[in-house]
Amino acid sequence: GQSLEQPSEVTAVEGAIVQINCTYQTSGFYGLSWYQQHDGGAPTFLSYNALDGLEETGRFSSFLSRSDSYGYLLLQELQMKDSASYFCALARNDYKLSFGAGTTVTVRA
Amino acid sequence: ETGVTQTPRHLVMGMTNKKSLKCEQHLGHNAMYWYKQSAKKPLELMFVYNFKEQTENNSVPSRFSPECPNSSHLFLHLHTLQPEDSALYLCASSTSEGNWAEKLFFGSGTQLSVL
Repeated sequence: GQSLEQPSEVTAVEGAIVQINCTYQTSGFYGLSWYQQHDGGAPTFLSYNALDGLEETGRFSSFLSRSDSYGYLLLQELQMKDSASYFCALARNDYKLSFGAGTTVTVRA
Repeated sequence: ETGVTQTPRHLVMGMTNKKSLKCEQHLGHNAMYWYKQSAKKPLELMFVYNFKEQTENNSVPSRFSPECPNSSHLFLHLHTLQPEDSALYLCASSTSEGNWAEKLFFGSGTQLSVL
């Protein structure tokens, strides 16, 4: 089966940098995705890593290391609107997504 | 606006009621999904449809009955639910070419309360 572990909560101030780690156990997967979900909203896709290394999309970056069974999402120049839940998810070999329990990020002024 | 619309947004029902959740996607996708989201738990995959055919039933109790009349519409029929079924039910869609699971588009969900 698959399992993903990520911290439940992170708090930081505006302008700071936050790194959300995701460790996983799986028998095989195509890549690691990250989703953002605001309270009462739909989860929205942020990034996808098929290969090891860093993917940068504006203020957000995502990293994958298959040898370490580990990935992270990096949020830079934090803004109040970044307060949300962030989920890592494995794109499995059977074309399904398995999610972590989510990390709630709270940004303070 | 993600291109995936779910109705109703909120639903309160008794354990003996029958109700249906509706999902519609305007993205031209062929794969559609139902997920259950409970507080502080990972999203649980319930059902997957590809080209209107069910390809996954993730050991979901029979009190949940999905229906996919075409690639744009997905329903979840509910009957004789239990209080522990109270959760946010999310619909999603994706392309079914290449790696389906690379990017899913979610609706805002139906917040279900079973009394």
